[in-house]
Amino acid sequence: SAVISQKPSRDICQRGTSLTIQCQVDSQVTMMFWYRQQPGQSLTLIATANQGSEATYESGFVIDKFPISRPNLTFSTLTVSNMSPEDSSIYLCSVLPGANTGELFFGEGSRLTVL
Amino acid sequence: DAKTTQPPSMDCAEGRAANLPCNHSTISGNEYVYWYRQIHSQGPQYIIHGLKNNETNEMASLIITEDRKSSTLILPHATLRDTAVYYCIVRRHSNSNSGYALNFGKGTSLLVTP
Repeated sequence: SAVISQKPSRDICQRGTSLTIQCQVDSQVTMMFWYRQQPGQSLTLIATANQGSEATYESGFVIDKFPISRPNLTFSTLTVSNMSPEDSSIYLCSVLPGANTGELFFGEGSRLTVL
Repeated sequence: DAKTTQPPSMDCAEGRAANLPCNHSTISGNEYVYWYRQIHSQGPQYIIHGLKNNETNEMASLIITEDRKSSTLILPHATLRDTAVYYCIVRRHSNSNSGYALNFGKGTSLLVTP
């Protein structure tokens, strides 16, 4: 299993600013992913955070808007840049501890409100 | 990954079994059926997964039809704390970068009533 801590748990931000969300795992994990959950909606995969290289983004998400870092096997950050009210969502970090299990673990999410 | 179809909502009386159906008629031979749930204001929680055989753990049972085109998640004795959105997800195990990510549909909102 894996215990995931996300910071901040929630924040209220002004339009045009940027916010960085941190994801810390209590053990080294094979893969890390970032998801977005818009109000009343299901989860949408933003990108796969790759250790030591650029993240792999899903269709509709770009690095300029959602830069991601993953400096080691236990930590990743997601930045939401130049925010607008449409970016108000819950952002969730997810990890795959080992390649053989297939079970993903999720953080509690970071609830972002943009005014 | 194959698409899944779930009823948008279901009710279940506390103490009774909750049977949540999922249709995945386009599933391929190397794709697994996963179930997750999301309790309000929390991150998704893994419940169970299977390939061909029925599976049981401390949380639930997973019944997969012989042709693998549908499955049912069974919560044997539902409690109020089982009220959540339940997601049925089909995916293969892959070593590509995003191959292990989960693609969430809309799920079934289960309401357990006293």
